[in-house]
Amino acid sequence: QKEVEQNSGPLSVPEGAIASLNCTYSDRGSQSFFWYRQYSGKSPELIMSIYSNGDKEDGRFTAQLNKASQYVSLLIRDSQPSDSATYLCAVNNQAGTALIFGKGTTLSVSS
Amino acid sequence: DTEVTQTPKHLVMGMTNKKSLKCEQHMGHRAMYWYKQKAKKPPELMFVYSYEKLSINESVPSRFSPECPNSSLLNLHLHALQPEDSALYLCASSQGFLDLHYGYTFGSGTRLTVV
Repeated sequence: QKEVEQNSGPLSVPEGAIASLNCTYSDRGSQSFFWYRQYSGKSPELIMSIYSNGDKEDGRFTAQLNKASQYVSLLIRDSQPSDSATYLCAVNNQAGTALIFGKGTTLSVSS
Repeated sequence: DTEVTQTPKHLVMGMTNKKSLKCEQHMGHRAMYWYKQKAKKPPELMFVYSYEKLSINESVPSRFSPECPNSSLLNLHLHALQPEDSALYLCASSQGFLDLHYGYTFGSGTRLTVV
């Protein structure tokens, strides 16, 4: 069974700090990697995508990918209380026909 | 239009009822998906439609019956559900069946409660 693993948290950081969320995946053939944010009771919202090794920055968010280690991470700089949510890591399945989601990491940013 | 619209937002149904969930997108996406998400769990894939044809059924019980009337619409027909089927049902779309480069756009979901 191909899997996507995340620490469920909760991860608690003070306002203004850097939050670091991690994800590992088991299928070496995966090509597309995504981070979704999900507020309680709401649907997931795409915040970052990454396809190549290295870093990709978008505003306060940086996604990092290391295919050799099968590791994806998301850094949130200057964390805000509004960032408090569950962050889902998603990876394409082996056939490339659907996304597999991790359990999500719950982030709590305190003011 | 960059939205996926799901109706209803909330649904309470008895175990003998028949109901349908609806999903609509006007982004020209050719693949549409149904996911089920229980509390504190990740979304789990149920069905995938590509060009209006059912491409993937993840061994979902027959009390869930998907339908894709056209490229913009996706329905999920529900019949004789069990209380354990209570969950958030998410519809999503992507540019194509084998094109996940841009990921999914999710609808707002239907919160289903089976009593």
